Amino acid sequence: SQTIHQWPATLVQPVGSPLSLECTVEGTSNPNLYWYRQAAGRGLQLLFYSVGIGQISSEVPQNLSASRPQDRQFILSSKKLLLSDSGFYLCAWSRLADEQFFGPGTRLTVL
Amino acid sequence: DAKTTQPTSMDCAEGRAANLPCNHSTISGNEYVYWYRQIHSQGPQYIIHGLKNNETNEMASLIITEDRKSSTLILPHATLRDTAVYYCIVRVGNQGGKLIFGQGTELSVKP
Repeated sequence: SQTIHQWPATLVQPVGSPLSLECTVEGTSNPNLYWYRQAAGRGLQLLFYSVGIGQISSEVPQNLSASRPQDRQFILSSKKLLLSDSGFYLCAWSRLADEQFFGPGTRLTVL
Repeated sequence: DAKTTQPTSMDCAEGRAANLPCNHSTISGNEYVYWYRQIHSQGPQYIIHGLKNNETNEMASLIITEDRKSSTLILPHATLRDTAVYYCIVRVGNQGGKLIFGQGTELSVKP
């Protein structure tokens, strides 16, 4: 069966510090991968998606970036965090068809 | 992808059926209706999806009107663990594409 992991589960970072969130998927190959962010009390916003290694599509302009160094690894990064980067970050995967499967999420607080 | 409209919140008594409506009047012929839910502090969970026929699985039933401009998610016997935000999403299916989440309906199941 397939599983998706995210770490860390929670993170508190100062403004201006770098960020690296990792997502890995097990039990499937060549998945589509997604990064979403959910600000407090709001819906999910798609940040990035990837259909293959090294292929990244960005949905909104921001100071975040994503990379896919391996087939089942998706990384979300920032060089300098802003207060507005606080939120709940969710990674998801899908096959070509049908539903997306979400990870447990990382709760990021920028102080 | 078509926009959806859902009530902000609903209450349901435990053991009763929960009927969650969704309007998608601009849906295109090749767009599917997907339902996800998000329990507090967790990642969204896929529930069900359909194109034009009614669908049923172990979690819920999906009723789509004949003109496909609206649909209803039915949880036949709601439990306290069904308390969550329910998202109705329409998108082109079978492409593993991105999901665009709205604000959803916050369902509270009460004892």
